[in-house]
Amino acid sequence: KAGVTQTPRYLIKTRGQQVTLSCSPISGHRSVSWYQQTPGQGLQFLFEYFSETQRNKGNFPGRFSGRQFSNSRSEMNVSTLELGDSALYLCASSWGTSGGQETQYFGPGTRLLVL
Amino acid sequence: SQKIEQNSEALNIQEGKTATLTCNYTNYSPAYLQWYRQDPGRGPVFLLLIRENEKEKRKERLKVTFDTTLKQSLFHITASQPADSATYLCALDIPGRRALTFGSGTRLQVQP
Repeated sequence: KAGVTQTPRYLIKTRGQQVTLSCSPISGHRSVSWYQQTPGQGLQFLFEYFSETQRNKGNFPGRFSGRQFSNSRSEMNVSTLELGDSALYLCASSWGTSGGQETQYFGPGTRLLVL
Repeated sequence: SQKIEQNSEALNIQEGKTATLTCNYTNYSPAYLQWYRQDPGRGPVFLLLIRENEKEKRKERLKVTFDTTLKQSLFHITASQPADSATYLCALDIPGRRALTFGSGTRLQVQP
């Protein structure tokens, strides 16, 4: 079974631009969660989608948004990029039906650098 | 707000010794606690899950304990090997939220 894939793997943008990251979950998984990882803040939860609906949202500004398609693939968008948005963005998939006891399967991440 | 602390930003041990990593949390009572391993430039990989009513869980050279009174989990790697060098993250579920809150991680370095 193929793992979680994320594209692109690396991205360089300038302040003020916007960016869209993509995540394809493991086949059959309906939940996709997004995390931001930085050296200073660690792994922080952005949001989670299940069956095309956002179920949970972390404490990030509205510049961070996402969506999920009917095939469970998900995208996240960051508008008006700031230097502090430079981070590794990870997505994780799971079945989405068993709450906190579910294993999260992470993708390799997208490394975003904002100049 | 919920707070998770993983003691020791970095831990250096000799090959063959037991590595013990700590995860402390405050302000809520998770039903589950998970441990993940993350190698540089890669996403975290699930290792073990322990439930609130379980005191201990083992998998090969790994052992996790969960003390809900102390609000603490200990993660042990016995007979450690250089290949065990990585960052280890603990993660707790937030009741009713279907999201994991991760600790900042402990970077383990096993010296040959």
